[in-house]
Amino acid sequence: QSVLTQPPSASGTPGQRVTISCSGSSSNIGSNYVYWYQQLPGTAPKLLIYKNNQRPSGVPDRFSGSKSGTSASLAISELRSEDEADYYCAAWDVSLRGRLFGGGTELTVL
Amino acid sequence: EVQLVESGGGLVQPGGSLRLSCSASGFTFTSHAMNWVRRAPGKGLEWVSSIGDSSSHIFYADSVKGRFTISRDNAKNSLYLEMNSLRAEDSAVYYCVREVEESFDYWGQGTLVTVSS
Repeated sequence: QSVLTQPPSASGTPGQRVTISCSGSSSNIGSNYVYWYQQLPGTAPKLLIYKNNQRPSGVPDRFSGSKSGTSASLAISELRSEDEADYYCAAWDVSLRGRLFGGGTELTVL
Repeated sequence: EVQLVESGGGLVQPGGSLRLSCSASGFTFTSHAMNWVRRAPGKGLEWVSSIGDSSSHIFYADSVKGRFTISRDNAKNSLYLEMNSLRAEDSAVYYCVREVEESFDYWGQGTLVTVSS
């Protein structure tokens, strides 16, 4: 069981807005940046959001991140079929002295 | 173009050893910390280990501490992961990952490790 808690699945229809939550604690999300990664089927993960809410070059502005206290969320607006993937939050944990990933959320576009 | 190419994966018996390598190109290797991240079948991503740009800062996940050793050869632009006392639960695709300001910004395609008798 991951220290960062994500819902195992989420779904939406094309054009909808979907949010994925990530819950942690004061030793990780509460005191460090949150990162989000997207893993499309059969491919390597890709950085989607860094430092809570920053998008790397090339990531559409349909993807946005936010953080409040010990929780974070990823929002995907104008959902597309190509957004079907596994999504992971991540953060450094000062107590464990290591990087943590959430358990991952499998997004299905209906 | 940034490229990270892993090698060294394969089938190994429980208790055995394996050495993974990652060849980096397209960027200044000595300017970046590097990481290994794995994904076991049916499971999510798990961070394994990280090493600073000059090997000065090394960290391990509790699940591999004492069994795995991360290292790098900056002259060869290469990252390594020495894995000993392998267990079935170590079976996974292992990714070599570049780090920039705590972000994992480039990932290799991964190498598969299977621990089975």
